[in-house]
Amino acid sequence: AQKVTQAQTEISVVEKEDVTLDCVYETRDTTYYLFWYKQPPSGELVFLIRRNSFDEQNEISGRYSWNFQKSTSSFNFTITASQVVDSAVYFCALMRGANSKLTFGKGITLSVRP
Amino acid sequence: NAGVTQTPKFQVLKTGQSMTLQCAQDMNHEYMSWYRQDPGMGLRLIHYSVGAGITDQGEVPNGYNVSRSTTEDFPLRLLSAAPSQTSVYFCASSYFPLGVYGYTFGSGTRLTVV
Repeated sequence: AQKVTQAQTEISVVEKEDVTLDCVYETRDTTYYLFWYKQPPSGELVFLIRRNSFDEQNEISGRYSWNFQKSTSSFNFTITASQVVDSAVYFCALMRGANSKLTFGKGITLSVRP
Repeated sequence: NAGVTQTPKFQVLKTGQSMTLQCAQDMNHEYMSWYRQDPGMGLRLIHYSVGAGITDQGEVPNGYNVSRSTTEDFPLRLLSAAPSQTSVYFCASSYFPLGVYGYTFGSGTRLTVV
């Protein structure tokens, strides 16, 4: 069975602070894909990143970075120098193989205060 | 390019009424799915389809029906609405096997059953 755990439910930071959103996953598959999605207050779901199980390189995109560690089954997301526009719900998700069924975590609500 | 279009955006139903949530995509994606989002629960898969004429159940299928007669459309039917079906519903599509960017989500339908 697949499972995604986002143990943090709500995080509040002050603008310009760095913040890390944790994601721990469970799967017995050797090939799988991990995702992060952002849901701003407007409600739409925005794709942020996809990572393959066989590619453990960390990824950086502007202020966003992702740390994938298979040894601890974690795929953590760090926002550097947070901004008010980063306030949103962030979902981590797991897909086994390429069968397209996504299993989502329960989400982390991030509030960035000015 | 419209992406994934969901209608209606908002709906209020009385218990026992039926209705259909519409979902259409213009990206020629083989895979389409319906999720429901409830507070603290993340997104849970209701039904999915890997192509026209092929559908299958997800995690929470009870009370919902789907069909896929064309590649473009994947309607979700509530046969007899119950208050427990009050939720935000998202339709999503992707290539199958999985494309590089994962899912494209619709903007959601907020359903209230009274």
